[in-house]
Amino acid sequence: KQEVTQIPAALSVPEGENLVLNCSFTDSAIYNLQWFRQDPGKGLTSLLLIQSSQREQTSGRLNASLDKSSGRSTLYIAASQPGDSATYLCAVDVNDYKLSFGAGTTVTVRA
Amino acid sequence: DGGITQSPKYLFRKEGQNVTLSCEQNLNHDAMYWYRQDPGQGLRLIYYSQIVNDFQKGDIAEGYSVSREKKESFPLTVTSAQKNPTAFYLCASQWGSTEAFFGQGTRLTVV
Repeated sequence: KQEVTQIPAALSVPEGENLVLNCSFTDSAIYNLQWFRQDPGKGLTSLLLIQSSQREQTSGRLNASLDKSSGRSTLYIAASQPGDSATYLCAVDVNDYKLSFGAGTTVTVRA
Repeated sequence: DGGITQSPKYLFRKEGQNVTLSCEQNLNHDAMYWYRQDPGQGLRLIYYSQIVNDFQKGDIAEGYSVSREKKESFPLTVTSAQKNPTAFYLCASQWGSTEAFFGQGTRLTVV
């Protein structure tokens, strides 16, 4: 069974600092990995999708890398802002129409 | 606008009562999912459906039931057999192994 781990569980940084969020998974046979953002009491918003054949994906200040062989993905958020405060979740798709989620990293960006 | 609509946003259930959570999508996605989220935990899969009139149990299906009579709709019933139903419920849809989209969630509380 695929296990997805996100460390740390919580992170607090001053505004302007770069954020580095980690995601690890146990089974490297994945089709893709997706990063989501969740605000308190809300649903998930998709940030980036990395297909298994890709090494990284970028959108604005966000960059996500994928190393299938080591079972790791990293989400980088450049020049953090208070509006980036949220919980970030990663999920892996193992092609059985099921996503396996990590528990998330809760980020606080201090003004 | 294309998206997923969940209703109601808040739902209260009395002991022994069945309640139904609604999920509608207009993205023309074949696959739909129901997840449960508890504080500090990742999302756990309840049921999923890849096509109309077909659905499969996820990791925590006991005490829940679903139907998929239309492509756009995937309602979830929380039955009286579910002994700890208080949680945040999220519906999602996906086309193949592409980006998954989520609704805004329903918060269910037992009173």
